[in-house]
Amino acid sequence: DAKTTQPPSMDCAEGRAANLPCNHSTISGNEYVYWYRQIHSQGPQYIIHGLKNNETNEMASLIITEDRKSSTLILPHATLRDTAVYYCIVRGPSGSRLTFGEGTQLTVNP
Amino acid sequence: EPEVTQTPSHQVTQMGQEVILRCVPISNHLYFYWYRQILGQKVEFLVSFYNNEISEKSEIFDDQFSVERPDGSNFTLKIRSTKLEDSAMYFCASRTGTGAYNEQFFGPGTRLTVL
Repeated sequence: DAKTTQPPSMDCAEGRAANLPCNHSTISGNEYVYWYRQIHSQGPQYIIHGLKNNETNEMASLIITEDRKSSTLILPHATLRDTAVYYCIVRGPSGSRLTFGEGTQLTVNP
Repeated sequence: EPEVTQTPSHQVTQMGQEVILRCVPISNHLYFYWYRQILGQKVEFLVSFYNNEISEKSEIFDDQFSVERPDGSNFTLKIRSTKLEDSAMYFCASRTGTGAYNEQFFGPGTRLTVL
């Protein structure tokens, strides 16, 4: 699975959009980009995934660059409950395990 | 909404004792996983289980660890002789079907403390 790089921490004001970047320059053509988050030692929570098209669900949007070497997770209106560690994970279709990196600690401030 | 459950939420044991951590995956899921997270460290994959056998395991999952699906609902992780360094949060996860698009659903975790 391709390696990912994320900033260690970010801050965001409550109600504003949180944009979390991820670099995955070695991603191969059949690998998906997944985002999970972990709120204070709870079990990781799936947010969204994508292959090459932008994706949106009720939690977030995922923007993947055309060359697929980076992506951005967007929380459109961050709340205090979105404070968590966000993990960007690249995984191939035959892969099963999720390999968690250090992630980005997002702190949403009032 | 269906969810993965784990028991107990906190387990305290003496070094050298055996522990069994229990998980009830989501009912129609076919793939089951254990991960662990030592305090302040990354979430680490331990083992995946499909069709009543281990499909993948990490280097952490040595002979002290075993997994079992004793009935149609439970999925257990056994640590045969616990060590101090086994103290961690243990997360169970499950997913349905195959393909990259099937996300894993995690339980709330069991905090294991080895004294």
